[in-house]
Amino acid sequence: GAVVSQHPSRVICKSGTSVKIECRSLDFQATTMFWYRQFPKQSLMLMATSNEGSKATYEQGVEKDKFLINHASLTLSTLTVTSAHPEDSSFYICSAPGTGPYGYTFGSGTRLTVV
Amino acid sequence: AQTVTQSQPEMSVQEAETVTLSCTYDTSESNYYLFWYKQPPSRQMILVIRQEAYKQQNATENRFSVNFQKAAKSFSLKISDSQLGDTAMYFCAFMIYGGATNKLIFGTGTLLAVQP
Repeated sequence: GAVVSQHPSRVICKSGTSVKIECRSLDFQATTMFWYRQFPKQSLMLMATSNEGSKATYEQGVEKDKFLINHASLTLSTLTVTSAHPEDSSFYICSAPGTGPYGYTFGSGTRLTVV
Repeated sequence: AQTVTQSQPEMSVQEAETVTLSCTYDTSESNYYLFWYKQPPSRQMILVIRQEAYKQQNATENRFSVNFQKAAKSFSLKISDSQLGDTAMYFCAFMIYGGATNKLIFGTGTLLAVQP
């Protein structure tokens, strides 16, 4: 079945630095990728939708300059957290509309800790 | 705007028993999909079951079944013969069919604990 490979699974970075999270679609082309943020014991909050070859669409309240999304190819979408601060610490998950009748394929998530 | 509500933050069930998780949603759309996703401690999102709004028949997947009440905008999940591996956070989700973005809207989740 469709698989989305997300890396890294965990990252610790210093405050003020930038971190890039990658999501690759394996065995299928993902023209769209959804990026979610999840706080402990809470729901998934949609941050933005990336589309291959065009600008990402951000949800209301999400800082475009802080969370840079690039979808340069049909198999790769990236989220870069720029000038990270401790409040950016969270679990980030990507998801692509998959093939077949079962909807969406999720990456395994990235736990970001900013110290 | 579409909203999804899960009124049970936490639930507990004994192994082999049956449990029902509630979900209600609000939309003015007529064509949509509803999903239940499971997120175990590994935090990998796993699709449990999905229901097309145009189908009157309730979806079933082995021990998992739904009670879809379109008029009431209710979509509950029943887990039969609960197993320890069912312990997870369960999210109800909604998607407009044919929408511009096909994005999923998630409920707040229900943490289910299956007790031995």
